[in-house]
Amino acid sequence: RKEVEQDPGPFNVPEGATVAFNCTYSNSASQSFFWYRQDCRKEPKLLMSVYSSGNEDGRFTAQLNRASQYISLLIRDSKLSDSATYLCVVNLLYNFNKFYFGSGTKLNVKP
Amino acid sequence: DAGITQSPRHKVTETGTPVTLRCHQTENHRYMYWYRQDPGHGLRLIHYSYGVKDTDKGEVSDGYSVSRSKTEDFLLTLESATSSQTSVYFCAISEGVPPSYEQYFGPGTRLTVT
Repeated sequence: RKEVEQDPGPFNVPEGATVAFNCTYSNSASQSFFWYRQDCRKEPKLLMSVYSSGNEDGRFTAQLNRASQYISLLIRDSKLSDSATYLCVVNLLYNFNKFYFGSGTKLNVKP
Repeated sequence: DAGITQSPRHKVTETGTPVTLRCHQTENHRYMYWYRQDPGHGLRLIHYSYGVKDTDKGEVSDGYSVSRSKTEDFLLTLESATSSQTSVYFCAISEGVPPSYEQYFGPGTRLTVT
């Protein structure tokens, strides 16, 4: 079983829509959680860390549900520039040097 | 900008030849990583380093070796390249204090083994 699983998509949404992605993780010892954004043929870039209390950065909101072992990313008022692949990443309490990546969810925002 | 560069950015090589990829960082980070990214697999850890001359294997280390003789440079070597090693290779550093431990990536090296 993979450490981190994501729906590969693609999610095709119109501009201005709200879209949400979920990501599940298998190891209950996971302690740190992140969302990265990756544009085609580019490196992943940190979008936001996910805190226990949830956090918001402009149009982006991340939530953590430890009981069900998933994290979510909500994007409001989608822009064309939000089109990218979104990677879910987790890090373990007892091995903080290893990061586990989901395969990514592709988002296409259409005019 | 985490100050990470990779070289070369693109390389085509033949099966059986040795290949070395270089990762260079300018900010004295202790931890450095090499990943490969393939469709359907996400990023997979090849090797990582926790200091000069201190390295450890990741989940897909077979066929790869690494060296770190200076803090700023982390080298990945394919001793005898195979077609299955055609991939995009990313170097990364991590910074922060657990649990707020974040990774930042270099621009990647696109390697094709023919």
